[in-house]
Amino acid sequence: DVKVTQSSRYLVKRTGEKVFLECVQDMDHENMFWYRQDPGLGLRLIYFSYDVKMKEKGDIPEGYSVSREKKERFSLILESASTNQTSMYLCASSLDRGHLETQYFGPGTRLLVL
Amino acid sequence: GDSVTQMEGPVTLSEEAFLTINCTYTATGYPSLFWYVQYPGEGLQLLLKATKADDKGSNKGFEATYRKETTSFHLEKGSVQVSDSAVYFCALIYNNAGNMLTFGGGTRLMVKP
Repeated sequence: DVKVTQSSRYLVKRTGEKVFLECVQDMDHENMFWYRQDPGLGLRLIYFSYDVKMKEKGDIPEGYSVSREKKERFSLILESASTNQTSMYLCASSLDRGHLETQYFGPGTRLLVL
Repeated sequence: GDSVTQMEGPVTLSEEAFLTINCTYTATGYPSLFWYVQYPGEGLQLLLKATKADDKGSNKGFEATYRKETTSFHLEKGSVQVSDSAVYFCALIYNNAGNMLTFGGGTRLMVKP
């Protein structure tokens, strides 16, 4: 079974702090994704990556950056956290560009920015 | 742009009741359609899918039929269980490489014993 793990289930940070959210998948998937999940808005794509050192902006990249130095790890970075970034963050992976629809999700990180 | 609209929740049902969660979409072409489920404390997982008009996806007693004429993909189950309590997301994707999943807002289902 594919396993996607996220470094923290809950995080509390202060406005202006730099925040790192880590995601690791263990099935050698090429694609990795970061979403945020907000009530009534569903999942919105922040960034995704097709391969190591590659990144593409999703629908809402403002205020975020990403890093993919190794195939199995995809990090989401909030350079200067703000209260409107309080949300649930979900990481996902999929096999390759031909399998974008079958994504495997981590359990999520609930981030609170005070 | 493309969008997916789901009925607002929460939906509260008694065990063994019939479930329908509505999903409609707007799209310029003919996407593939999906239902994902998120159980408490877990990530989303694919529940079922349909790739063309009139296809029926099914899994774990859930069903959904791709209706092109009404641009809908409603999720149904004949008899829900407490263990079905979760958030359900409808989603679409085009079959061209590089297109991303577009999710609906999610519908929370609560099943009471």
